[in-house]
Amino acid sequence: NAGVTQTPKFQVLKTGQSMTLQCAQDMNHEYMSWYRQDPGMGLRLIHYSVGAGITDQGEVPNGYNVSRSTTEDFPLRLLSAAPSQTSVYFCASSYSSIGLLYGYTFGSGTRLTVV
Amino acid sequence: QQQVKQSPQSLIVQKGGISIINCAYENTAFDYFPWYQQFPGKGPALLIAIRPDVSEKKEGRFTISFNKSAKQFSLHIMDSQPGDSATYFCAASNRGANNLFFGTGTRLTVIP
Repeated sequence: NAGVTQTPKFQVLKTGQSMTLQCAQDMNHEYMSWYRQDPGMGLRLIHYSVGAGITDQGEVPNGYNVSRSTTEDFPLRLLSAAPSQTSVYFCASSYSSIGLLYGYTFGSGTRLTVV
Repeated sequence: QQQVKQSPQSLIVQKGGISIINCAYENTAFDYFPWYQQFPGKGPALLIAIRPDVSEKKEGRFTISFNKSAKQFSLHIMDSQPGDSATYFCAASNRGANNLFFGTGTRLTVIP
């Protein structure tokens, strides 16, 4: 089925470790973004991309890097994991930057725990 | 600062009742107001959206009411069902912007 694929689904990291959360979409969407979801804080935008080779920061970018070398892939890198990065991470893609008409297509999430 | 304020944080409704979730915003440039529904273990999905040129939009049991002067909008779920139990997010943005601004979410539980 077409959609947004996130891997891994679960991950436990030690403080200071680095890792990459993978996100791939097969809908030829130009817009992709990463959100983190924390209780009582909703969805907060980390980074986004409006096309291959173009990325920009969202609301909470510190501690995260992204790149967009292809239309399909938008990996999120944690540089040096901290307990404050314990969260559920969602990747989303869309035809337009605000999801007009069809909305954002979200992946099923990556639950990350940093100990 | 939170661009979109959402309340309540949680809501319990009897089956058949009406669920009401409210959102407020400050940025008068916002002209697109979607609602997303999220089931446990899943990503959010677009439920319904409204533009400020209308005061109400209905799709089945789901209705958005929009009050431009008060800068508020709300989601009404009529005849609420246990299958509606989920977290609901309001959001706002404007054409030309690079992202949506989401509210903090409302966890709805519909009890039989």
